[in-house]
Amino acid sequence: LAKTTQPISMDSYEGQEVNITCSHNNIATNDYITWYQQFPSQGPRFIIQGYKTKVTNEVASLFIPADRKSSTLSLPRVSLSDTAVYYCLVVLDTGRRALTFGSGTRLQVQP
Amino acid sequence: DGGITQSPKYLFRKEGQNVTLSCEQNLNHDAMYWYRQDPGQGLRLIYYSQIVNDFQKGDIAEGYSVSREKKESFPLTVTSAQKNPTAFYLCASWDPSRYGYTFGSGTRLTVV
Repeated sequence: LAKTTQPISMDSYEGQEVNITCSHNNIATNDYITWYQQFPSQGPRFIIQGYKTKVTNEVASLFIPADRKSSTLSLPRVSLSDTAVYYCLVVLDTGRRALTFGSGTRLQVQP
Repeated sequence: DGGITQSPKYLFRKEGQNVTLSCEQNLNHDAMYWYRQDPGQGLRLIYYSQIVNDFQKGDIAEGYSVSREKKESFPLTVTSAQKNPTAFYLCASWDPSRYGYTFGSGTRLTVV
């Protein structure tokens, strides 16, 4: 299983871009990189997934270098409502390898 | 709308009692999962099922039991053998179209 490492916490201000980096040194060829957002007392919400290079959707961008040993979730112009815990999760494409989430990165956005 | 429904949202249990947490999905997903989350912590896998009538233990299965008689349903029973059951319980399914999990809104269990 690909173990992930991400910062425990980050602070930002409204309107800034936030980049959260996740390290996954032993990622396997068939693994995908996914990110989730969790608010207090709610289930995690799927944000974005990628295999390599860059992926962008209406919520975030995901940057993955060629060696795929890390990935960076980019949140453009954060607002107070982006205050949450963000999890990086490496998954096998079939989903058959059920994974345990790490502690995630707690993002605090200040006014 | 398709999704995962967990009930009840809050549950109180007396010590020594078994309780069952409900998880229902209408997404037609094969694989389903139960996670436990303690305050300020990440999610830990309790049990998972990849197909009807089959399930596997996760990292912290002791004191819990599950069944998967229907594709749509994956109930979790917290037995009296679970010494510290107070936690937030999350049910999820695997969406193969996006390589991601879909989560329910959770059940907060408190032992009184």
